[in-house]
Amino acid sequence: GAVVSQHPSRVICKSGTSVKIECRSLDFQATTMFWYRQFPKQSLMLMATSNEGSKATYEQGVEKDKFLINHASLTLSTLTVTSAHPEDSSFYICSARDEEQWDTIYFGEGSWLTVV
Amino acid sequence: AQTVTQSQPEMSVQEAETVTLSCTYDTSESDYYLFWYKQPPSRQMILVIRQEAYKQQNATENRFSVNFQKAAKSFSLKISDSQLGDAAMYFCAYRSEANAGKSTFGDGTTLTVKP
Repeated sequence: GAVVSQHPSRVICKSGTSVKIECRSLDFQATTMFWYRQFPKQSLMLMATSNEGSKATYEQGVEKDKFLINHASLTLSTLTVTSAHPEDSSFYICSARDEEQWDTIYFGEGSWLTVV
Repeated sequence: AQTVTQSQPEMSVQEAETVTLSCTYDTSESDYYLFWYKQPPSRQMILVIRQEAYKQQNATENRFSVNFQKAAKSFSLKISDSQLGDAAMYFCAYRSEANAGKSTFGDGTTLTVKP
């Protein structure tokens, strides 16, 4: 079946640095991808909708300058956490929409970010 | 805005028994999808079952079935013949088609399966 791959699965970075997380659709094209954040034992919170070839649409309360999203191709969206702080430590999950398969959405494996 | 409510933070079931997880949602839209996802300790989100709002027939997938009550905005998941591998966090999700296909998730229900 269709697969969405996230990389890296785990990353540790120092406060003040930036870190990039990639989300790839491996065998389908995705004009729309979604980025979520999940705190331990909590639900998924939608951060933004990533649109290929245009600006991402951010949810209310999400800082667009801090969480930069780029969807440069039909198979790749990236989330860059800029000037990371310990409170940005979290589990980040992406999903991609396969419009050729009845609009099925596939989730990546997620990425653990720890800011020290 | 749409909201999804899962009123059971934790549920427990004996192996081979049946358990029902509750979910209610609020929306003013008529065209939407509802989902149940399973999230094991690996954190990978696994689609369990999907229901289109326009379909009256309840979706089923092997041991998993739903009770979709559109008027009541209720979407419960029934797991029959529970297995140890069913233990996980279960999320109910609503997906809007009028709003770029964004999904809203409930807070989740942690299911424990006792041997």
